[in-house]
Amino acid sequence: KNEVEQSPQNLTAQEGEFITINCSYSVGISALHWLQQHPGGGIVSLFMLSSGKKKHGRLIATINIQEKHSSLHITASHPRDSAVYICAALGIVNTGNQFNFGTGTSLTVIP
Amino acid sequence: GAGVSQSPSNKVTEKGKDVELRCDPISGHTALYWYRQRLGQGLEFLIYFQGNSAPDKSGLPSDRFSAERTGESVSTLTIQRTQQEDSAVYLCASCLQGHQADTQYFGPGTRLTVL
Repeated sequence: KNEVEQSPQNLTAQEGEFITINCSYSVGISALHWLQQHPGGGIVSLFMLSSGKKKHGRLIATINIQEKHSSLHITASHPRDSAVYICAALGIVNTGNQFNFGTGTSLTVIP
Repeated sequence: GAGVSQSPSNKVTEKGKDVELRCDPISGHTALYWYRQRLGQGLEFLIYFQGNSAPDKSGLPSDRFSAERTGESVSTLTIQRTQQEDSAVYLCASCLQGHQADTQYFGPGTRLTVL
């Protein structure tokens, strides 16, 4: 089983701050997803990464395959970014244990 | 429809009863996933479908859980003889081709409460 750890578990930031959420996993993967879960429960897929870096608006996600580590960055944070951010490690096809989720990072951005 | 839909949105049942949860994926999406999120806990993968077949059922927690998909469209997750520990939000997601390449689109979930 791929152990997926996220840090921090909880994060409070002032509006405008630069935020970093980290995700580490124990077993080699084929890809990693970052998900955003809003207070109402709805989940949105933010990024799917297999290497390098991706950017979408104020969000940046990076992955280092060798170090088994990914980060999600939010620039110029805003209260509407308040949500739980979840990383999900996708295993190699046919290993039979393809999805392992981190426990999430609860972010609160204060105006 | 425009997105993934699930029904019912809420289901309350008595312990020991069977329940069926439905997922309508985005039209044309070949891959479909079921997840579970217990209160205060993280997401758990249950099963995924590629077309109508399920290559990976390893996440199903017990033989009381089963799922099927027909016509590369609707999927149903069935829980037999429900137990209180089955109480959770059951989420469905779909994507265009396969999990390694594509963005997953999540439905709103079905909140199951087993009394």
